[in-house]
Amino acid sequence: QLQLQESGPGLVKPSETLSLTCTVSGDSISKSSHYWGWIRQPPGKGLEWVGSMFFGGDTLYNPSLKSRVTISEDTSKNQFSLRLRSVTAADTAVYYCARHLNIVGADSWGLGTMVIVSA
Amino acid sequence: SYELTQPLSVSVALGQTAKIACGGNNIGSKNVHWYQQKPGQAPVLVIYKDNNRPSGIPERFSGSNSGNTATLTITRAQAGDEADYSCQVWHNSVVVFGGGTKLTVL
Repeated sequence: QLQLQESGPGLVKPSETLSLTCTVSGDSISKSSHYWGWIRQPPGKGLEWVGSMFFGGDTLYNPSLKSRVTISEDTSKNQFSLRLRSVTAADTAVYYCARHLNIVGADSWGLGTMVIVSA
Repeated sequence: SYELTQPLSVSVALGQTAKIACGGNNIGSKNVHWYQQKPGQAPVLVIYKDNNRPSGIPERFSGSNSGNTATLTITRAQAGDEADYSCQVWHNSVVVFGGGTKLTVL
């Protein structure tokens, strides 16, 4: 059974870098035909796509965040990671990792992890 | 940039049919997916590629997509269907979500 789990600091200071990792079990990020992505949800607001990766280096980013985002893979650990630079309070959100594909949507999600940006 | 528009809220009487719209320019040419999200939980895919149900999703959930509007339909609404529902498409290698609709079952 496919499972995704986010991990990382729950508190980040303004102007610093937010770093999260998604550990995948039940599928291989290096063999899957899916994208692996990050979606966030600010408190009381809707879902916002951050970016996604496909094994081998293909990455896609939300244009509004592209200058600050990097998504990378660690196939030895079956993990992928998010780095968001120069954070502000507007980056406070629950961050989800998910597996997705254009034709089938995001069919598996992690439970989400809350990240607060505050001094 | 591509935008998806959803009503902020929809109400439905218990046992009746709820329809949630998702508007977008020529959305009928895209694959539309729908997610259900209950408070404090991760989203769950309830409809993919316009009108397909993942395993485990009741037949009461269905979808349609044509022109500039996609619609999620929930028949025989139950108290447990009360949640936020979001539509999503992929446009020019960008994943786009609608703002979400809060469904209230009266």
